Amino acid sequence: TQLLEQSPQFLSIQEGENLTVYCNSSSVFSSLQWYRQEPGEGPVLLVTVVTGGEVKKLKRLTFQFGDARKDSSLHITAAQPGDTGLYLCAGLLGGSEKLVFGKGTKLTVNP
Amino acid sequence: GAGVSQTPSNKVTEKGKYVELRCDPISGHTALYWYRQSLGQGPEFLIYFQGTGAADDSGLPNDRFFAVRPEGSVSTLKIQRTERGDSAVYLCASSSGQVSYNEQFFGPGTRLTVL
Repeated sequence: TQLLEQSPQFLSIQEGENLTVYCNSSSVFSSLQWYRQEPGEGPVLLVTVVTGGEVKKLKRLTFQFGDARKDSSLHITAAQPGDTGLYLCAGLLGGSEKLVFGKGTKLTVNP
Repeated sequence: GAGVSQTPSNKVTEKGKYVELRCDPISGHTALYWYRQSLGQGPEFLIYFQGTGAADDSGLPNDRFFAVRPEGSVSTLKIQRTERGDSAVYLCASSSGQVSYNEQFFGPGTRLTVL
């Protein structure tokens, strides 16, 4: 059983479209991080959310942490081909230093 | 400054052989993590070091896997009697250990292929 469920697993859209990726769990996390990974590279940290209900914006990317700290979403506005990649959510359970990752959402933005 | 580096970038070995994978963390980072990423999966935790000691090795799959960090900087992940199922990308990450929400910075990984 996956502790963090990401959906959708695959997403292929046209340039200019909006999209939302979801990360859900039945567990409560002390913090949650979103990473983007490109082929042959390690994950690159995009954002960390720590407070229930928190919303963070990074240019065209909006991240939200659920009120109960069990889920998160990533919304991309006007997607561009450069947004293509694997988006991973990862959470820290209380008292633990190890990140628990979801399986990721593979996003392809077609020009 | 330099990020996390890992060597080699690719390693091909035969079943039963011994391999060592190296990780150079960001200078000054006290915490170091090893993860394993199989195809189509997210990274899976293996072991975490705080300084020289392994603070949590609960993710190591069995006793064929061992990791060291003798001087609190560079770490080596060692795999004995490799099996085909060990084939994966092995990722290393480091963090400053000074923020409660533990932002981790990853290296590019070592792709291990066991034939």
